[in-house]
Amino acid sequence: QVQLQESGPGLVKPSETLSLTCTVSGYSISGGYYWGWIRQPPGKGLEWIGSIYYSGNTYYKPSLKSRVTISVDKSKNQFSLKLSSVTAADTAVYYCARLSGGPGGWCSPWGQGTLVTVSS
Amino acid sequence: EIVLTQSPGTLSLSPGERATLSCRASQSLSNNFLAWYQQKPGQAPGLLIYGASSRATGIPDRFSGSGSGTDFTLTISRLEPEDFAVYYCQQYVSSPQTFGQGTKVEIK
Repeated sequence: QVQLQESGPGLVKPSETLSLTCTVSGYSISGGYYWGWIRQPPGKGLEWIGSIYYSGNTYYKPSLKSRVTISVDKSKNQFSLKLSSVTAADTAVYYCARLSGGPGGWCSPWGQGTLVTVSS
Repeated sequence: EIVLTQSPGTLSLSPGERATLSCRASQSLSNNFLAWYQQKPGQAPGLLIYGASSRATGIPDRFSGSGSGTDFTLTISRLEPEDFAVYYCQQYVSSPQTFGQGTKVEIK
């Protein structure tokens, strides 16, 4: 059974960099599929941030591209998200997920999500 | 960017009733690249439907998806107590993938 788990700081200061890691268990990240990040501001809808293939090919939402880096560590079966120059608008629950059907495909399964608050 | 508009915003129904949720795309979705998710409070979304009409593993057959082009529908044939939640559609035909704003199905 494939499981994903997000980890990282729950509080980030404005202008700093948000860093999260997603640990995958029950499936090798090198076994195919794209792996992605999606976020959800409190009380709001879902926003796709970007995704990565095990080979390192990345795909980012254009409006976030200048601030986002997604990377993969095959040895640890993890992939990571870095979002720079954060503001209060980046406060959200961040989810990682496995994507099927391409770099922007449908998402299943999802991690449980981690709330990141941007505040001084 | 393809915009998905879900309607209604909130659906108030009783257990046992039929729920019909709509998702309309601003452009035609080739290959019916549309998925539906269910999200309960405090939980991550869970995949219900992909390819507009294919049920994900383990999803009860009271959930069905239909539609093509720009108009898609999620139908819950008879609402069970555990079905009251928020439902999102998502298109994955073009980058960036986008989600609808959600439909809340609440107990009447």
